[in-house]
Amino acid sequence: NAGVTQTPKFQVLKTGQSMTLQCAQDMNHNSMYWYRQDPGMGLRLIYYSASEGTTDKGEVPNGYNVSRLNKREFSLRLESAAPSQTSVYFCASSSLRRELRDTQYFGPGTRLTVL
Amino acid sequence: DQQVKQNSPSLSVQEGRISILNCDYTNSMFDYFLWYKKYPAEGPTFLISISSIKDKNEDGRFTVFLNKSAKHLSLHIVPSQPGDSAVYFCAAFNQGGSEKLVFGKGTKLTVNP
Repeated sequence: NAGVTQTPKFQVLKTGQSMTLQCAQDMNHNSMYWYRQDPGMGLRLIYYSASEGTTDKGEVPNGYNVSRLNKREFSLRLESAAPSQTSVYFCASSSLRRELRDTQYFGPGTRLTVL
Repeated sequence: DQQVKQNSPSLSVQEGRISILNCDYTNSMFDYFLWYKKYPAEGPTFLISISSIKDKNEDGRFTVFLNKSAKHLSLHIVPSQPGDSAVYFCAAFNQGGSEKLVFGKGTKLTVNP
């Protein structure tokens, strides 16, 4: 039981390059999330997916796209990376509904630098 | 508009003493609150939670207090240990709404030996 896994752990991009961050969970959770963490800014939600086939914007969605490939996998894509997207990205999954009380579990993070 | 506020960016305490981390929220629809702990280069991990129907929840050395009228919650760590040194995030959500947690900016706790 690996929990939430993310690949890659580190990535350096040049401005304008594209890349996809991968996330997978093995806890059979319905909801998955992508956050970014910047110094002094806490965790800000980029996108989330309440169930397979659905996605919704979070607080800072501009410059990102997501795909909920199946129940296990939720990917985050940067189509044209910008230096402002330099950050640490965390994927999380959860089942927060009252009848399925659980908490959010986070992956180890991807440290992305855009030059 | 910041809905969950942790006004102290950092806190330093001596080993064995009490650590009190504070969190305020503005959205009255929030009815479930969580604390996460984060070590450097790791993802946040769940620590303790509290529903709005309670005013206190305890788990070992960790206790969370909720004051709904003041829209304020606090995390107490007693006794504090050097291994508790980490960034602590407060988070909140509305159980009747979407499954989106709103996080505070975090408080960095340092426990000195």
